[in-house]
Amino acid sequence: GDSVTQMEGPVTLSEEAFLTINCTYTATGYPSLFWYVQYPGEGLQLLLKATKADDKGSNKGFEATYRKETTSFHLEKGSVQVSDSAVYFCALSASSGNTGKLIFGQGTTLQVKP
Amino acid sequence: NAGVTQTPKFRILKIGQSMTLQCTQDMNHNYMYWYRQDPGMGLKLIYYSVGAGITDKGEVPNGYNVSRSTTEDFPLRLELAAPSQTSVYFCASRVKGGGQTEAFFGQGTRLTVV
Repeated sequence: GDSVTQMEGPVTLSEEAFLTINCTYTATGYPSLFWYVQYPGEGLQLLLKATKADDKGSNKGFEATYRKETTSFHLEKGSVQVSDSAVYFCALSASSGNTGKLIFGQGTTLQVKP
Repeated sequence: NAGVTQTPKFRILKIGQSMTLQCTQDMNHNYMYWYRQDPGMGLKLIYYSVGAGITDKGEVPNGYNVSRSTTEDFPLRLELAAPSQTSVYFCASRVKGGGQTEAFFGQGTRLTVV
């Protein structure tokens, strides 16, 4: 079945460091891919998405490119801030069927130190 | 803008007790979901619904029941609570045909079964 694998956390960075969180997926067809972020004590909120191969999603300085050939959707940010400390989830939504179910990776905790 | 509202935010149950987690959304979304979040495990789908009167099992449905009598409400029922149901529960919704669209999440219900 469809699945998402993220790099293990926690990831600890200093402010202004470069961030990469790896995400790979297994799916039939052409899923849509998402990054969701969860700040402490809150629900998940959409960070960015890409719906077809080679699409780049971007928001708040974060970027991710849908790579069909490597089945990846790595999250990057050039210069992290303390306020980026959160849990990041990679997710996919299958192209087949019509239920809109999201399949999540296990989440990666990011801690940014001043 | 209320979005997705979950109640209660916290609850402690004794083994064998029952409870209902409430979820309501005011965006007229057809699709609604219940997920549970366990540490280091990402989010697992419990049940979902594609419209009023239609529900189906997700990945981890055992020990839970749902109903969907209206578009707005999607309550999750726990019968005979067990320690394995200690988790954070999230309700989410999406527009119909929402494979490419954003899912909106509630703030979660933290449940402890003792």
